[in-house]
Amino acid sequence: QKEVEQDPGPLSVPEGAIVSLNCTYSNSAFQYFMWYRQYSRKGPELLMYTYSSGNKEDGRFTAQVDKSSKYISLFIRDSQPSDSATYLCAMTYTGNQFYFGTGTSLTVIP
Amino acid sequence: GAVVSQHPSWVICKSGTSVKIECRSLDFQATTMFWYRQFPKQSLMLMATSNEGSKATYEQGVEKDKFLINHASLTLSTLTVTSAHPEDSSFYICSARGSDPASYNSPLHFGNGTRLTVT
Repeated sequence: QKEVEQDPGPLSVPEGAIVSLNCTYSNSAFQYFMWYRQYSRKGPELLMYTYSSGNKEDGRFTAQVDKSSKYISLFIRDSQPSDSATYLCAMTYTGNQFYFGTGTSLTVIP
Repeated sequence: GAVVSQHPSWVICKSGTSVKIECRSLDFQATTMFWYRQFPKQSLMLMATSNEGSKATYEQGVEKDKFLINHASLTLSTLTVTSAHPEDSSFYICSARGSDPASYNSPLHFGNGTRLTVT
């Protein structure tokens, strides 16, 4: 079993839709959770960084962590064509080893 | 803040030559830097972890004599692909984590990657 599971998609939504991206994990020791956005031929860009369970909001993005279910989510409100990218979840418990999902490819159709 | 600069963004080289990729943390000190390789439509594959002033730790299956990593200062790490072959063609990405004890569990910040093509 992989440490982090993420549906690769592809996911296609109309502009303005709410997007829900998810990852599950198996190691209950994970404490820090991250979401990255990666455009084609670019490095991943940090979107959200959360610690332990709960919600965190930043503009149109909301990150949610449910440690009891070992499940994290990223919600994108009012999605825009510029949100079209691959979204990677990542997590760590030591700060020295990071575990990544495989990424979900998102396309927002104008 | 937390900007990581990677250079070059793309490079084409002939088989048998060596290529050096630089990774700099511009506005923070990075005791630890990570080097990843990414194949098309795949996730990041960790190659090695480098700590400032010490030898890099390589992941299983990564040839340390082929992928030389140097982390001589708190703001610079380099990856040298020696005697490159076409199968080394890939997207290489570095990332860094801060050295401030308060940011021990700070997130990774990534460079923009280097696309290497070996002909």
